[in-house]
Amino acid sequence: EAGVAQSPRYKIIEKRQSVAFWCNPISGHATLYWYQQILGQGPKLLIQFQNNGVVDDSQLPKDRFSAERLKGVDSTLKIQPAKLEDSAVYLCASSLRTGTSKRDEQFFGPGTRLTVL
Amino acid sequence: GESVGLHLPTLSVQEGDNSIINCAYSNSASDYFIWYKQESGKGPQFIIDIRSNMDKRQGQRVTVLLNKTVKHLSLQIAATQPGDSAVYFCAEISPSSNTGKLIFGQGTTLQVKP
Repeated sequence: EAGVAQSPRYKIIEKRQSVAFWCNPISGHATLYWYQQILGQGPKLLIQFQNNGVVDDSQLPKDRFSAERLKGVDSTLKIQPAKLEDSAVYLCASSLRTGTSKRDEQFFGPGTRLTVL
Repeated sequence: GESVGLHLPTLSVQEGDNSIINCAYSNSASDYFIWYKQESGKGPQFIIDIRSNMDKRQGQRVTVLLNKTVKHLSLQIAATQPGDSAVYFCAEISPSSNTGKLIFGQGTTLQVKP
């Protein structure tokens, strides 16, 4: 079974530029997550989709970050404009989750490492 | 607010020894915990989970212990191997969320010396 795919793997941009990341979840997974992982820290949830609807975006900096999941499959996360503090690894994860069960394993992609200069 | 944290940022062990990685949490309502392993350049990978109605759960070479009295859990790795070198995170499902939101701790780097 193919895992969660992300691209690009690495991206270097200057501050105030825009950038977009792409994620393809595991086939059949209803729920998709974007996390931000700053160096030396654990991942922090930015946004969670169930099918193509947002269920949690409470920690997404909405003035500069946006995400969409058209057709309930692939997703893109965009930052515009980027700041120095956005330098991090952006992880995408997916899970079967269709209800409220807590035991719903999340499968993570390899992440995109973003460096903002 | 909710938080999970690890006691030591780095743990160095000899190959073949047992490793113990500790984690503390703050919310007594937390009832589901997960340990993840993250190798360099990869995303976190599920290792083992435990619910609050259990004190101990065992997997292959790994054991998780939960002490609800002091809000502490640990991950024990038996006969540590070089392939176990990674960053280990404890995480909890936020008890205040009905969406399965994961809250991660900061991670402990396990270094296995040959």
